[in-house]
Amino acid sequence: GQQLNQSPQSMFIQEGEDVSMNCTSSSIFNTWLWYKQDPGEGPVLLIALYKAGELTSNGRLTAQFGITRKDSFLNISASIPSDVGIYFCAGLYNFNKFYFGSGTKLNVKP
Amino acid sequence: SAVISQKPSRDICQRGTSLTIQCQVDSQVTMMFWYRQQPGQSLTLIATANQGSEATYESGFVIDKFPISRPNLTFSTLTVSNMSPEDSSIYLCSVEGVPQGARYNEQFFGPGTRLTVL
Repeated sequence: GQQLNQSPQSMFIQEGEDVSMNCTSSSIFNTWLWYKQDPGEGPVLLIALYKAGELTSNGRLTAQFGITRKDSFLNISASIPSDVGIYFCAGLYNFNKFYFGSGTKLNVKP
Repeated sequence: SAVISQKPSRDICQRGTSLTIQCQVDSQVTMMFWYRQQPGQSLTLIATANQGSEATYESGFVIDKFPISRPNLTFSTLTVSNMSPEDSSIYLCSVEGVPQGARYNEQFFGPGTRLTVL
């Protein structure tokens, strides 16, 4: 299967700080999705990206589809305590199957 | 996005028994999937549940262990058979290609079923 390398694995930040995480691969992906998962819940779709270079925002979240189609990043600005959770990237490979990153665990100190 | 429900939300089961997990969607969807998420891990696709035909299993997952039904476009079940402690995971169903404005390549997840096998 395809490998998605997601980093960082975890982050401890102060409330109000900006956060950046990314996913990289040696393969080309057709779609990139970013999810957030709270404890005991299923992943919730945050942002979907469809074209190389696409930059999309959802409130304080901004994500980009890398020009090479092999990577994507997610930024969270002015973090708040409810941003705590695990963030997953997912890439659609060959218009056929989604592969998921290993997740970034975000901790926000008030 | 679709409203996806799963039953049960959690269960504790004995080794050697089987558990059937239900996934219900509030609208008709073409593609439904079952994932496993082991503690502290990412999501691993078990199979694609095809309406009217056999499920398509990923490498490492077999029908005898994880039989799947998909009787219509809004419902699917996953059975975890002859369970062992290694089956303790969160099991998630997801859907793709939901109407009401969602694009085809967007997957939405149910709340998950947290399974503990003793």
